[in-house]
Amino acid sequence: KNEVEQSPQNLTAQEGEFITINCSYSVGISALHWLQQHPGGGIVSLFMLSSGKKKHGRLIATINIQEKHSSLHITASHPRDSAVYICAVRSERTSGSRLTFGEGTQLTVNP
Amino acid sequence: GAVVSQHPSWVICKSGTSVKIECRSLDFQATTMFWYRQFPKQSLMLMATSNEGSKATYEQGVEKDKFLINHASLTLSTLTVTSAHPEDSSFYICSASKTQETQYFGPGTRLLVL
Repeated sequence: KNEVEQSPQNLTAQEGEFITINCSYSVGISALHWLQQHPGGGIVSLFMLSSGKKKHGRLIATINIQEKHSSLHITASHPRDSAVYICAVRSERTSGSRLTFGEGTQLTVNP
Repeated sequence: GAVVSQHPSWVICKSGTSVKIECRSLDFQATTMFWYRQFPKQSLMLMATSNEGSKATYEQGVEKDKFLINHASLTLSTLTVTSAHPEDSSFYICSASKTQETQYFGPGTRLLVL
């Protein structure tokens, strides 16, 4: 079992739909990251969370430390949101900023 | 913001040649840089962690003599794939960290070995 699991693996939505991507992890963490990888391969860091909720534009990320679970929400989705979304955690047991990655969720938003 | 660049963005080479990939932090000093490789439809796989001025720490199964990492300054790390073979074809991504909090990712380098 992976330390970080995401669901769903693939998600197709219509423009305007509300989207949720889930991430569950099995280790104690000091931080959780949500990353976005576009088809060209470049990775953008969307959020870093250690508790609660963060919002940036149409994106919202939440984390429940007790349940070891985080969600990424996209409101009013748009075709340009199509990308792979990756959850990554920084374990309490490791030093520095080393991350453990989930397998990613491929999101396709159709016009 | 924190910007990380990689060069080249893509490279095609013949089997047996060596390829060097550069990773630069453009507007901050990176105490640690990470090198990842990513195969199609898979997530990032950490290859090695490099701290400025010291030897890189390689992950299990990654050959240090094949993937040479040099982190000579706080803004530059290089990955050299020596005697590249077709199975080394992959997408290589670096990231840089200035604190223990956040990694900033480069745009990646696509390597194709013929």
